[in-house]
Amino acid sequence: DAEITQSPRHKITETGRQVTLACHQTWNHNNMFWYRQDLGHGLRLIHYSYGVQDTNKGEVSDGYSVSRSNTEDLPLTLESAASSQTSVYFCASSDPGQAEAFFGQGTRLTVV
Amino acid sequence: AQSVAQPEDQVNVAEGNPLTVKCTYSVSGNPYLFWYVQYPNRGLQFLLKYITGDNLVKGSYGFEAEFNKSQTSFHLKKPSALVSDSALYFCAVRAPGTGRRALTFGSGTRLQVQP
Repeated sequence: DAEITQSPRHKITETGRQVTLACHQTWNHNNMFWYRQDLGHGLRLIHYSYGVQDTNKGEVSDGYSVSRSNTEDLPLTLESAASSQTSVYFCASSDPGQAEAFFGQGTRLTVV
Repeated sequence: AQSVAQPEDQVNVAEGNPLTVKCTYSVSGNPYLFWYVQYPNRGLQFLLKYITGDNLVKGSYGFEAEFNKSQTSFHLKKPSALVSDSALYFCAVRAPGTGRRALTFGSGTRLQVQP
């Protein structure tokens, strides 16, 4: 079955380090998204992509970057991790022909 | 800008009773509306969506939602709650068309079903 996978599932890193979270989908979806989930805020959009070589900033993009070199992958990079970036990160994808997005299992990131 | 409000942080209901989880939205144009459910330590699972047509949409696990354009609401409902329905529920909205395709989520409502 097609799916969307995130790795690692859990990560502890130190303040100031660069961290990359992986997202891989096998649906061949053009649209991919990164969200962070924090208590009281629901899910907030970090970055998104509508296709290869396309990337866009979401509402909370400061300190994050993404790249889209192929259809399947949208890695999320924290350039210099900060304690405020401790969160659960979700990747999602959708097809232009359908409105709903499908989510990965999430990555719990702790910055110490 | 598009936004979603879920006015209740938590909803408590007894097993077998009907449940309602409230959602109101703001978006330009006719909305695309969604409900997702999240179980502990899991990702979000799609429950149902409204795009167009009948205001009452049916989804997975016996859930349904009613779209009310005049009240800009999209409340999630189930006639008879199960203990296994206990989870975190998110309402989401996006604008129609191919412009912004990312979903905007509410802050979530925790549903607790007591046996």
